[in-house]
Amino acid sequence: EPEVTQTPSHQVTQMGQEVILRCVPISNHLYFYWYRQILGQKVEFLVSFYNNEISEKSEIFDDQFSVERPDGSNFTLKIRSTKLEDSAMYFCASKQWGGPTDTQYFGPGTRLTVL
Amino acid sequence: KQEVTQIPAALSVPEGENLVLNCSFTDSAIYNLQWFRQDPGKGLTSLLLIQSSQREQTSGRLNASLDKSSGRSTLYIAASQPGDSATYLCAVSYLLNRDDKIIFGKGTRLHILP
Repeated sequence: EPEVTQTPSHQVTQMGQEVILRCVPISNHLYFYWYRQILGQKVEFLVSFYNNEISEKSEIFDDQFSVERPDGSNFTLKIRSTKLEDSAMYFCASKQWGGPTDTQYFGPGTRLTVL
Repeated sequence: KQEVTQIPAALSVPEGENLVLNCSFTDSAIYNLQWFRQDPGKGLTSLLLIQSSQREQTSGRLNASLDKSSGRSTLYIAASQPGDSATYLCAVSYLLNRDDKIIFGKGTRLHILP
């Protein structure tokens, strides 16, 4: 069964460094998402992406964050200058086409630790 | 503000018992509702998806109901097993301009006692 994959599974970085989290969505999916989950907290929506542009973003998704689909398969989340509070699990998701019966398929997550 | 609340936060039951997890949401204009399972340190596994026009969905020992007007959903697990131990997340989807956004509850941490 097709699945969303994410790399790396765990990323450790120093505060102020740039990180890029990578996702490979399911191949025929058109909508892409990033969510984050701070330890012990809710999963929170960050951004959605369709047709090579951001569809929606939350207030969390400030100028430090950016997303890109650099080729036909990868979808990336970049954090320009990481802060301690960016430590969280980051989930990528993708969806085929939309409609109420469609569902977002989630990847296994990347655990980001900012020291 | 669109919020999703899950009660209880944690639940321990002996193996074999039936149980109900509760979810409530403040904005009833939902697109769909999903129940996810999350194992410790792991990703999200979709268990059941209920469209806004539906009242329930079943998969094996799991049954999810939806009452949009009252802003509630329940996840019923029959004949619980130790392997059911996990955190169960309720996630409500709302339509945006060109897409939908999922609002998650904080989850119910379920422990099935052997």
